[in-house]
Amino acid sequence: EDQVTQSPEALRLQEGESSSLNCSYTVSGLRGLFWYRQDPGKGPEFLFTLYSAGEEKEKERLKATLTKKESFLHITAPKPEDSATYLCAVRGGGADGLTFGKGTHLIIQP
Amino acid sequence: DAGVIQSPRHEVTEMGQEVTLRCKPISGHNSLFWYRQTMMRGLELLIYFNNNVPIDDSGMPEDRFSAKMPNASFSTLKIQPSEPRDSAVYFCASSLASDTEAFFGQGTRLTVV
Repeated sequence: EDQVTQSPEALRLQEGESSSLNCSYTVSGLRGLFWYRQDPGKGPEFLFTLYSAGEEKEKERLKATLTKKESFLHITAPKPEDSATYLCAVRGGGADGLTFGKGTHLIIQP
Repeated sequence: DAGVIQSPRHEVTEMGQEVTLRCKPISGHNSLFWYRQTMMRGLELLIYFNNNVPIDDSGMPEDRFSAKMPNASFSTLKIQPSEPRDSAVYFCASSLASDTEAFFGQGTRLTVV
């Protein structure tokens, strides 16, 4: 059974204070690791897909990296508008649906 | 494209009533997923369709839940009879293919009293 664990559960940062969110996973035959952003009352919004260890992707202040056991979402010089819940999900070899972690609730204070 | 469209956005119903949630996927997407989100369990996959055919319904909690996809532009998730423990946010998502990123709708917040 695919499993995803995200840490920390919640993180409060000052504006401009860089940090990283962790996503540890166990999966049989990784067919993609996905990062989503979710704002209150809305559906998850797609950010990145990573497929193999060593792969990195960037978008504005966000950078996602992948190893064989975990993924990191690095946030550089965050702004208050980066406040959201960040979800990590994996697609394994056994099914097409995504298995999600419970997310990291990120608050950026001005 | 307007994205994945779900209706209603909010639903309040009494225990024992039938509830139908609706979803219109992004045009041209071949895969459709139904998820449920709660504080305790996070996002859980209920069922997914590929080319309108149900592929995996192992996440459907029990026989009270059923889902259909009569055509490429419409899907329903039905709960009959509804129970208070079904209260959650239900999301529909679609993807171009079964192994590409999924795009989510805004969700339906269901409250069963």
